Amino acid sequence: DTGVSQDPRHKITKRGQNVTFRCDPISEHNRLYWYRQTLGQGPEFLTYFQNEAQLEKSRLLSDRFSAERPKGSFSTLEIQRTEQGDSAMYLCASSPTPRMNTEAFFGQGTRLTVV
Amino acid sequence: SQKIEQNSEALNIQEGKTATLTCNYTNYSPAYLQWYRQDPGRGPVFLLLIRENEKEKRKERLKVTFDTTLKQSLFHITASQPADSATYLCALQGSGGGADGLTFGKGTHLIIQP
Repeated sequence: DTGVSQDPRHKITKRGQNVTFRCDPISEHNRLYWYRQTLGQGPEFLTYFQNEAQLEKSRLLSDRFSAERPKGSFSTLEIQRTEQGDSAMYLCASSPTPRMNTEAFFGQGTRLTVV
Repeated sequence: SQKIEQNSEALNIQEGKTATLTCNYTNYSPAYLQWYRQDPGRGPVFLLLIRENEKEKRKERLKVTFDTTLKQSLFHITASQPADSATYLCALQGSGGGADGLTFGKGTHLIIQP
């Protein structure tokens, strides 16, 4: 069990560029979440997948953000036309089913810096 | 709107003493409350979960209480150690089967001084 893996760990990009992050959840976990965390704040929920279906999206997720989870395995989060306000830590978490409301297992995050 | 408040300032505790962290919430009726630990530059790590119909939960040196009338949870670390120094996050969840994600507080930075 290698835990939740995120790649890359760090990303520096110029404003206006597109970036894509990858998350590999724990293999038997059906649920996958994306959160965003800025300095001094707790993680903020962005979106949620149950297997390959994206079931919930926060209003924080503007139309520049898109997430996918093909085949219900790994997930990608893409940000188009990045802005300086997108600079944050992007965290992925997974949890098992069918037990409901269990703990979330977080990855180490991808720290995005938009310059 | 939903609001979760945790001690905004760092909490300094002497080694060996009990550290008590507070989580208060408003405009929310969570079915579950969770506590996580987060070290700098790393993702949160789950510690304890308590349900709305539970008053108290323990795990080794950790204890969590949940008072739905006061809308408050207390998180205790007994016999604290310098290695317990970290940010502790309170997170609430509704009864939506995980579909509503977790709502986190800002966290409390705990410092255990030797």
